Amino acid sequence: DTAVSQTPKYLVTQMGNDKSIKCEQNLGHDTMYWYKQDSKKFLKIMFSYNNKELIINETVPNRFSPKSPDKAHLNLHINSLELGDSAVYFCASSLMAVRGDSPLHFGNGTRLTVT
Amino acid sequence: GDSVTQMEGPVTLSEEAFLTINCTYTATGYPSLFWYVQYPGEGLQLLLKATKADDKGSNKGFEATYRKETTSFHLEKGSVQVSDSAVYFCALIGGGATNKLIFGTGTLLAVQP
Repeated sequence: DTAVSQTPKYLVTQMGNDKSIKCEQNLGHDTMYWYKQDSKKFLKIMFSYNNKELIINETVPNRFSPKSPDKAHLNLHINSLELGDSAVYFCASSLMAVRGDSPLHFGNGTRLTVT
Repeated sequence: GDSVTQMEGPVTLSEEAFLTINCTYTATGYPSLFWYVQYPGEGLQLLLKATKADDKGSNKGFEATYRKETTSFHLEKGSVQVSDSAVYFCALIGGGATNKLIFGTGTLLAVQP
């Protein structure tokens, strides 16, 4: 059983398109996250939701909109895709939004390529 | 703000060699410290953690000790294997109210037979 699953695994699209990435966790965790990993492997948090409520919103273009229909799902919608959006996007979850005691569990990533 | 600095890679070792990957941090208060590992084509997996000063995290032969006096959390393994080849990330969760994990830049380890 996959704990944190993301779809699709690969996404190739053209500039200007709108696309979504879906994430589901079956761990019963309350908190979910989106991270972006660039071509140099650098990871940066984008968003976090706790029980469907947005708790972390980093400086991300408003073309990126997360949506959490329930605490087991956190989707990422991206409007008007740009070349610079090409990256690997990781979904993650943790038991609670409490520092230190709730390690993050990551999905296998979605590699987005914008041409 | 909080930050993590890791030694640059790649680190190339022969099988059974000793591994050290340096990690230092800057944070207010008392952060929790982590090492994550990313195997090729996969997501990150928690390798070990330490939540207070002088704690030692250990897993799969890897160890790291939380050193508050030197603000360090160096990763070590006594004898590496080819299967340890991966990217290793040092990370912290700082003193804020949310579970915001801040990563270092990652260190690629390549172990040769």
